[in-house]
Amino acid sequence: NAGVTQTPKFQVLKTGQSMTLQCAQDMNHNSMYWYRQDPGMGLRLIYYSASEGTTDKGEVPNGYNVSRLNKREFSLRLESAAPSQTSVYFCASRSSGGAGYTFGSGTRLTVV
Amino acid sequence: EDKVVQSPLSLVVHEGDTVTLNCSYEVTNFRSLLWYKQEKKAPTFLFMLTSSGIEKKSGRLSSILDKKELFSILNITATQTGDSAVYLCAVQEDTSGTYKYIFGTGTRLKVLA
Repeated sequence: NAGVTQTPKFQVLKTGQSMTLQCAQDMNHNSMYWYRQDPGMGLRLIYYSASEGTTDKGEVPNGYNVSRLNKREFSLRLESAAPSQTSVYFCASRSSGGAGYTFGSGTRLTVV
Repeated sequence: EDKVVQSPLSLVVHEGDTVTLNCSYEVTNFRSLLWYKQEKKAPTFLFMLTSSGIEKKSGRLSSILDKKELFSILNITATQTGDSAVYLCAVQEDTSGTYKYIFGTGTRLKVLA
């Protein structure tokens, strides 16, 4: 089973560039999430999608947009990257009633 | 504001030692508490606790929740170098039926041979 697949694994952007982080899960999970992880800050929720067709802001949504393309895919877009968005990004999914998230392997993003 | 606080921030022990990691929380609509282990990449699930006073065990790891005092502990006995990782505590809140997890900053454990 692939589980949760994130692409790319690494990315370097220049300030002001845009990019989309892709996430797909093959477990038929309803809920999907995007987190960022920074040293000393833990995992912070950016956006989530409780079900296909819905998205909601998390704790740190500014500078990001998301799209729940279908039940499998949940993408995160940076429209104009800033150095403060340098981080490791994790996508996760969860089934209804499930115990905890299944995480993707992460995307390490550096904005210079 | 909902928050999850873990202590200590970091810990260095020798193989064979027993460690206790702490997680306290203030969350409005508590549903469950989870522990994850994070080595180099994605966090992996360890335990989910929903009821007070019931210990969950998996090998040398165990965890218990106290919903009255709003904390949980994760115990690791007879530590091994492979236990070296960041241990994350997350609390699931239920806001209008949409479950979200609030993570603590983690405890970094290093086990020396």
